[in-house]
This record gives sequence, C-alpha cells and structure tokens, in this order.
Amino acid sequence: QVRLQESGPGLVKPSETLSLTCAVSNFSISEAYFWAWIRQPPGKGLEWIGSIFHNGGTYYNPSLKSRATISVDTSKNRFSLNLNSVIAADTALYYCARHPGGPAGVDYWGQGTLVTVSS
Amino acid sequence: SFELTQPPSLSVSPGQTASITCSGDKLGDKYICWYQQRPGQSPVLIIYQDNKRPSGIPERFSGSNSGNTATLTISGTQAMDEADYYCQAWDSTTALYVFGTGTKVTVL
Repeated sequence: QVRLQESGPGLVKPSETLSLTCAVSNFSISEAYFWAWIRQPPGKGLEWIGSIFHNGGTYYNPSLKSRATISVDTSKNRFSLNLNSVIAADTALYYCARHPGGPAGVDYWGQGTLVTVSS
Repeated sequence: SFELTQPPSLSVSPGQTASITCSGDKLGDKYICWYQQRPGQSPVLIIYQDNKRPSGIPERFSGSNSGNTATLTISGTQAMDEADYYCQAWDSTTALYVFGTGTKVTVL
C-alpha cells in the first residue's frame, strides 16, 4: 500500500514562503508516475496546485501565477512544494498525492496538513 | 483554463438513486474522474476515465460524460454514501487538472 505523509510548518507569515514535504513509502518515487499537491481551504473545495513527473517535468495551475514550485528528491523518496508570497487566502489543508497521469485520476492521497497564513 | 460547476447540495432517500452533475464547456471532449470525500477524510477516487471504477468501489457508483455534462450516479444510495463529491477533468491539450465545485450529498 502506497503511503504519503505531508510535513511542514503549520503557520506561515504573510509574504513569506510556504514549504511542505511529502514522504512516500512502499513505492519508489522514481517510477513513472506523477506526484501532486492539492489544497482545500477550510470548508471549501479542492484545488489542484501542480504535479511533477518522475523525470522532473512539472505542470502548474496557472491561477497561482508562478508562485508554486514542486521538486523531487529521489535519494530520499520524497517531493516538495514551495509557495512564495503567501496571503491569507493560501490558508488550506494541503494534500500530497500520486496519479498515473492523464485520465486515470488521483489514486493515493496523504492525510493532509493544515497550513495557516497569519501574522 | 476551464471551470466545472456542480450543484452545491443534493438530498436523497436511502435506497433511491442520486444523480450528481458536473457541467463545463465541451466536457464530453475531456476525461472525468469523481471523488468521494467523507468528513475529516482525504478524497477517494470512485470513478476514472468517465465511467471506470477502481478496484474495491461498489457497483452502485457509475459515471457518464457527454456534451457539456458529466454525471455521477449512485444507485440504491446508502447512509454511508453521505459525503462531498467532486468531479475532476483532465485537459489533454494543457495536461492540467481542474476540480469541480463539489456537491454535498445528504442521505435522509
């Protein structure tokens, strides 16, 4: 069973950078899959942030206006999200996830980590 | 990018059929997935590629997609199906993913 576990600060100040890491267990991150970040503001719907392919290719939600960067560390079997210039609207439950790509959907999700943007 | 619109809420009696719509421009030209999210839990994939069920998903969940509307149908709805449901589209031209606005299904 593939397991994904998010980690990172639960509180970030406005204008600073949100940094999260997702540790992947029981599956090699070097396999031909996509690794994604998805967020959900409290009481609201899901928003896809972006994905990275095992070879480093990335795809981002254009609504984030290039504030997001996803990277992969194959030596530690984990991937990361940096979101810069955060504002209160970036407060959300952040999920890391795996998807095969294309129409196959997201088949494994982490439990999510809540990040609050506040001074 | 494009937008996907779902009804905010839907009520259904146990044993009846629930139909959740997801609307978007030329949605039939894209592939649709559906997710179930129970309170306090991570989403679970219940339909992919318009109408395919992952292993372990009950047969009462089915999907269709045509024109500008995709539909998730829950036949013989059970109390355990009470949850939020999200559609998701994949745009093959941009490789981007978009989620629908979500529908809260209440079984009463």
